Amino acid sequence: GQQVMQIPQYQHVQEGEDFTTYCNSSTTLSNIQWYKQRPGGHPVFLIQLVKSGEVKKQKRLTFQFGEAKKNSSLHITATQTTDVGTYFCAADTGRRALTFGSGTRLQVQP
Amino acid sequence: EAGVVQSPRYKIIEKKQPVAFWCNPISGHNTLYWYRQNLGQGPELLIRYENEEAVDDSQLPKDRFSAERLKGVDSTLKIQPAELGDSAVYLCASSSVTFTDTQYFGPGTRLTVL
Repeated sequence: GQQVMQIPQYQHVQEGEDFTTYCNSSTTLSNIQWYKQRPGGHPVFLIQLVKSGEVKKQKRLTFQFGEAKKNSSLHITATQTTDVGTYFCAADTGRRALTFGSGTRLQVQP
Repeated sequence: EAGVVQSPRYKIIEKKQPVAFWCNPISGHNTLYWYRQNLGQGPELLIRYENEEAVDDSQLPKDRFSAERLKGVDSTLKIQPAELGDSAVYLCASSSVTFTDTQYFGPGTRLTVL
């Protein structure tokens, strides 16, 4: 089936550096959601994007939905140790169900 | 408000044994999901219920997996017999109405098959 590709798989940053993860699909997405999973935890909903070119901010987190609605990104400004975890995008690829990307694991060194 | 409840949290079984997982969604949520998450991967949908009806079970290995959601509230996922490759975390989630709504995940059941 159609997949949602996420890059990078892993990123290690120094505290205070920025971080970006990208989510790509070959098909147009009706919506995309982002989740965060802390080590040993379960996915927790962050945000949903629906409109072409949409940009949403949550404090240091900025989420974008591409103009063609085939890609999305999550950018964290000035990372903190509390940002550690795996970030997943999830989108409806036509199955009327969410398909999760493989995630980007973020490690932040103090 | 209570979140999604799952039990047990951990389960270790021998291969070929049966195992069952239980999930109680957030009160009032019509849609319930069972996901399997392998190490280092994103959750993979096994089955989705809208009320009592299984509306998407295309990824459920039906030869050994079964699920039910009686009365449209809590749900049970069963594996019989378990295989080594079934070792994973089994996550239950619920959402208010449909799959585009926010999904709230439970803590998961970590299954180890020896």
